[in-house]
Amino acid sequence: TQLLEQSPQFLSIQEGENLTVYCNSSSVFSSLQWYRQEPGEGPVLLVTVVTGGEVKKLKRLTFQFGDARKDSSLHITAAQPGDTGLYLCAGVTNSGYALNFGKGTSLLVTP
Amino acid sequence: ETGVTQSPTHLIKTRGQQVTLRCSSQSGHNTVSWYQQALGQGPQFIFQYYREEENGRGNFPPRFSGLQFPNYSSELNVNALELDDSALYLCASSGGQGPSYEQYFGPGTRLTVT
Repeated sequence: TQLLEQSPQFLSIQEGENLTVYCNSSSVFSSLQWYRQEPGEGPVLLVTVVTGGEVKKLKRLTFQFGDARKDSSLHITAAQPGDTGLYLCAGVTNSGYALNFGKGTSLLVTP
Repeated sequence: ETGVTQSPTHLIKTRGQQVTLRCSSQSGHNTVSWYQQALGQGPQFIFQYYREEENGRGNFPPRFSGLQFPNYSSELNVNALELDDSALYLCASSGGQGPSYEQYFGPGTRLTVT
């Protein structure tokens, strides 16, 4: 059972376009992380958000944690082919330690 | 600083066999978690080891077992392999147990069961 629902599941856009990926849950998380995974490799941590309402920016990527700490979004401005990959959100509940992953959003950015 | 490494990178086994996967944690990390990622899915938590003891377990049967060694490296053992065990097995290390510690992943071992 996936605690986190990600949308969209697939996204194919052209270079220069903007996009937003969503991560939603009915559970409260003490922290939420975003990862990017390329084929045949492990997920690479992009950011951790901890405080409800928190916004973090990483170059062209903007991450937001919902006020209630149940959801998050990732916005990419002016996407580039190098942004292609599987974007995974993962939350840790207050009582746990395991990362609960969504199924991921597969992003393809074409030149 | 050495990152998380896993071996082997690929493995093909037959249904009913046993397999051992290995993970070396990042320097300075004492906690190792194992995840199974089936094709088209997000990683699913198998278990976590902290200072050589199992610290928590996901919804996986007992034929999935593990070990952590004094140098904090770890093994994942799977007995009586089933076709559905085919997946990418990921190891992640962190500086401690608990939600405040970020987990860093290795490249994974791709297991195929035929």
